[in-house]
Amino acid sequence: DAKTTQPNSMESNEEEPVHLPCNHSTISGTDYIHWYRQLPSQGPEYVIHGLTSNVNNRMASLAIAEDRKSSTLILHRATLRDAAVYYCILRGSSNTGKLIFGQGTTLQVKP
Amino acid sequence: EAGVAQSPRYKIIEKRQSVAFWCNPISGHATLYWYQQILGQGPKLLIQFQNNGVVDDSQLPKDRFSAERLKGVDSTLKIQPAKLEDSAVYLCASSSTEGSYGYTFGSGTRLTVV
Repeated sequence: DAKTTQPNSMESNEEEPVHLPCNHSTISGTDYIHWYRQLPSQGPEYVIHGLTSNVNNRMASLAIAEDRKSSTLILHRATLRDAAVYYCILRGSSNTGKLIFGQGTTLQVKP
Repeated sequence: EAGVAQSPRYKIIEKRQSVAFWCNPISGHATLYWYQQILGQGPKLLIQFQNNGVVDDSQLPKDRFSAERLKGVDSTLKIQPAKLEDSAVYLCASSSTEGSYGYTFGSGTRLTVV
């Protein structure tokens, strides 16, 4: 399974945008880039995923580099509720592809 | 839609005892996963089911862990006998083979082995 690299932790101020980076230099052409987050005492929660083009949904935006070797999860206005561990994961194109979690980035949001 | 249900929410047992966890996935989701999450680490995949068949159990410690998914719906994960290092949160997740590629996770069972 292809590996991703994320910073261990990041801080943000409430109501400011947050850019969470992820490097995946060994990504294959069929790997999707998935982001999940895990709030305290909860299971991980799907945030967004993409293949080549940038993606937007109600939770966040995903910006994917042209060479696909890195991506950035963008939270447009951080709230205290966004404090969580954010995982960037590569998943194969098969519908039975596994999610292999790394350490993730712990995001702290300050009021 | 209802989420992934797991029970119990918490369990404390002594080492060498046995324990079982139950998971009810989202209705219609063919794929079910069990993960182990040790404090401070990301979740680790233990086993993956497609309907009632095992797709991947390469990370399951088969000398003490077992899992089944009868009739392709509910699943149970068992540990027998438990060790101190099995203390963790056990997460169940399910996904559909159609449409969205997202997994839905339950809230997990926190196991403490003393």
